[in-house]
Amino acid sequence: GAVVSQHPSRVICKSGTSVKIECRSLDFQATTMFWYRQFPKKSLMLMATSNEGSKATYEQGVEKDKFLINHASLTLSTLTVTSAHPEDSSFYICSARVPYSGNTIYFGEGSWLTVV
Amino acid sequence: GQNIDQPTEMTATEGAIVQINCTYQTSGFNGLFWYQQHAGEAPTFLSYNVLDGLEEKGRFSSFLSRSKGYSYLLLKELQMKDSASYLCAPMDSNYQLIWGAGTKLIIKP
Repeated sequence: GAVVSQHPSRVICKSGTSVKIECRSLDFQATTMFWYRQFPKKSLMLMATSNEGSKATYEQGVEKDKFLINHASLTLSTLTVTSAHPEDSSFYICSARVPYSGNTIYFGEGSWLTVV
Repeated sequence: GQNIDQPTEMTATEGAIVQINCTYQTSGFNGLFWYQQHAGEAPTFLSYNVLDGLEEKGRFSSFLSRSKGYSYLLLKELQMKDSASYLCAPMDSNYQLIWGAGTKLIIKP
């Protein structure tokens, strides 16, 4: 079964509004979660590393103020796309490293964001 | 720099065997992952190799040679549902996964 759960799976929002995507670790505590975005037929692009209780580490070129990441608990990280624009439409995926499984990283189901 | 090299696309026949090769260069190494990704879905974990050799898991096997920077994923008894992209992702010294574009595998009847 799934070890990382993401919600919502699909969301449509109006341009200029904000949308929040949740990533939950199931039955384990995730001190670190990762947020990716992926455009069709392109490779995964790491946006940021979410650290529980501290600020997220953003990759170069990713706007911190636009993509707000909060990791307030050991089982939940959220990505908020603020003032969304059509070019933010993409597939957003989170992942987490499962403790005591070596370095195995599992992905959430992904969230399709469409900004109209 | 860090990079991944996999074939862009491969075609195989249902019931056959296919090997997807991957060469990589990373800053440090903490193992290599293979993921399967169907179109429009998130990647799903297939295997993790940290030591040299072959890891077998059902119809799927993964091989690693750290000295050569080389890995392969072997899929046996191919089924139509195996049509997907296969992503080779080594983990660098910072425990970050390095991603390429993956190999799109097309299974024909």
